[in-house]
Amino acid sequence: NAGVTQTPKFRVLKTGQSMTLLCAQDMNHEYMYWYRQDPGMGLRLIHYSVGEGTTAKGEVPDGYNVPRLKKQNFLLGLESAAPSQTSVYFCASSRTGFNQPQHFGDGTRLSIL
Amino acid sequence: RKEVEQDPGPFNVPEGATVAFNCTYSNSASQSFFWYRQDCRKEPKLLMSVYSSGNEDGRFTAQLNRASQYISLLIRDSKLSDSATYLCVVNTGRRALTFGSGTRLQVQP
Repeated sequence: NAGVTQTPKFRVLKTGQSMTLLCAQDMNHEYMYWYRQDPGMGLRLIHYSVGEGTTAKGEVPDGYNVPRLKKQNFLLGLESAAPSQTSVYFCASSRTGFNQPQHFGDGTRLSIL
Repeated sequence: RKEVEQDPGPFNVPEGATVAFNCTYSNSASQSFFWYRQDCRKEPKLLMSVYSSGNEDGRFTAQLNRASQYISLLIRDSKLSDSATYLCVVNTGRRALTFGSGTRLQVQP
């Protein structure tokens, strides 16, 4: 099993450009999450989804949109990239709720110039 | 006060040593606790869940102290391969897990 797969692994954008990060999981998990990790800080939750067609805001949701059109996929869209969004982005999934351990993808390193 | 606090380290220990990390949490209603391991520039990986009665997995022992609101991780007989950042993770009662900033461990030959 692949587990949680993120694409792309690396990307460089110019300010104002848009892009979408893709997360796919093959574990039939209901819950999926997007985090960002910045130097010296813990992972911060951007958005999460408790099932297909549903999403909710996390701690740092502004500037991102997160379609969950299929159970196995969770997208992270940046409509107009800003330098403050330079970060490492991790997707995760869990079988059910927030009291379950989460399984992470290997991350996307995103730089906004 | 941060919801989850960890000493950033680094903890530099020789091979074979025993090392312990603590993590404090602020929400007394927290129900779920985990230790994750993160290698440099890699994704976090679950090391172990932390149960109320304490639990052990090989060389690793996790403890929960609800009265003082902290969890601990003890690593015995440290290996070079244990060098990593250890993340304390708590379900703080909101609809999310909160990650600590991590404690860096460097095991030296």
